[in-house]
Amino acid sequence: AQTVTQSQPEMSVQEAETVTLSCTYDTSESDYYLFWYKQPPSRQMILVIRQEAYKQQNATENRFSVNFQKAAKSFSLKISDSQLGDAAMYFCAYRTGTSGSRLTFGEGTQLTVNP
Amino acid sequence: GAGVSQSPSNKVTEKGKDVELRCDPISGHTALYWYRQSLGQGLEFLIYFQGNSAPDKSGLPSDRFSAERTGGSVSTLTIQRTQQEDSAVYLCASSLMQGGEQYFGPGTRLTVT
Repeated sequence: AQTVTQSQPEMSVQEAETVTLSCTYDTSESDYYLFWYKQPPSRQMILVIRQEAYKQQNATENRFSVNFQKAAKSFSLKISDSQLGDAAMYFCAYRTGTSGSRLTFGEGTQLTVNP
Repeated sequence: GAGVSQSPSNKVTEKGKDVELRCDPISGHTALYWYRQSLGQGLEFLIYFQGNSAPDKSGLPSDRFSAERTGGSVSTLTIQRTQQEDSAVYLCASSLMQGGEQYFGPGTRLTVT
C-alpha cells in the first residue's frame, strides 16, 4: 500500500519570504501522480500543483514549485514571496497512475504567514 | 460554472441516529469520491463511483456506512447508528473522468453527541 508522510505538522514564514514544505512517499509503482492541496479554514480543498512521476521536470505554478526527487521518493513544495492568503493547511497526496482514482493523503502541514 | 456542493454544511446528531449527507458533483463529471477527515485518522478515502460501474467501496470503515449515486449525479452517504468516532468532516469530490483532477466540495461537518 502507498503511504504519504508529512513530517512537519506546523510551519511559519514571514510575508514575502520563501518556505518549503516536505513530503515523502512510499510506493512500488512506477506510474503515479503527486499533488499538493491547500485547505483554508473554509474547508474546501484546492489543488495547488501536480506532478506526473514520468516527468523529470519539476512542476511550477506561479509562486509555487516542487522539488521532485523520484529516487528518494521526496516531493517538497516551495512557496516563494509568501502572502497572507497562503496561510492554510497543506496536504501532499498520491494517486496511482494505472487506472487510479483515489487519493492517498499525508497528515498535513499547517502553514502560518506572519505579517 | 457551479462547483461541488454538499449539504448540510454542519450536522449535529445523537449517538445511534442515522444521518444522510448529500453531494452534488459538477455537472458532467462522471467520477465521484467521498473522503473523511478526522483528527485521529487524517484524510481517508471512503468510496468511489465511476459512471455505471460498480462502486469501489473498499474504504468504507464498517457496514454502517453506505453510499449511492442516483442517475449518475447526486450522491448520498448514509451512516446508520452513528457513533462518536464518526464525528468528522466528510468531503466529496468529483472529476470529469477516472484519473482526472478532483474538485472538492466544502464538506459536511458531522458531530455525534
